Amino acid sequence: DQQVKQNSPSLSVQEGRISILNCDYTNSMFDYFLWYKKYPAEGPTFLISISSIKDKNEDGRFTVFLNKSAKHLSLHIVPSQPGDSAVYFCAASGRSVGNTGNQFYFGTGTSLTVIP
Amino acid sequence: ETGVTQSPTHLIKTRGQQVTLRCSSQSGHNTVSWYQQALGQGPQFIFQYYREEENGRGNFPPRFSGLQFPNYSSELNVNALELDDSALYLCASSAAWGSGANVLTFGAGSRLTVL
Repeated sequence: DQQVKQNSPSLSVQEGRISILNCDYTNSMFDYFLWYKKYPAEGPTFLISISSIKDKNEDGRFTVFLNKSAKHLSLHIVPSQPGDSAVYFCAASGRSVGNTGNQFYFGTGTSLTVIP
Repeated sequence: ETGVTQSPTHLIKTRGQQVTLRCSSQSGHNTVSWYQQALGQGPQFIFQYYREEENGRGNFPPRFSGLQFPNYSSELNVNALELDDSALYLCASSAAWGSGANVLTFGAGSRLTVL
């Protein structure tokens, strides 16, 4: 049962343009969402997060939007740079979800390619 | 600040064997989680350790077990290996929940191949 879904396996964007990565979730108990970036042969690295009490969080070129009614979040990267080429994972958690602990549910990832 | 380190980076086992993977958590972190990432999939939660005890477990059978040591390092043990256990195993550390804990710091992973 995939509770976090990233329906686009890949995305190509020209350098300087906006990259929009999407993520959908099914569990309304999720209250914290994160985006991770992963380069080959490296572990995922934290990019940006958002709590369910907000609908937008911005950090430099990266902005995450959360639409709770649609159970949808998106990551915007503006402007996109070739170094942003990586796999991006959406993840969700909730204090009352799952079997205690700090369990995160991950999507299957979107591979972003920024073309110079 | 030392990040999360995992060993070994790659290993090959045969079906039925046992494997132990190791993880050193980031300095200042007292919670360790293990995730399995199969090819083309996102990481899946195996379990979490806090204060040397398992305090959360995903949908994995008992042949997946772990330990956390007083220095917060951790081991993942898998018995009776199956072909489907072939995956990247990721260790992540974090501070305890409620203290800015909601960010996992991942290691580079241990790539296990079961033949």
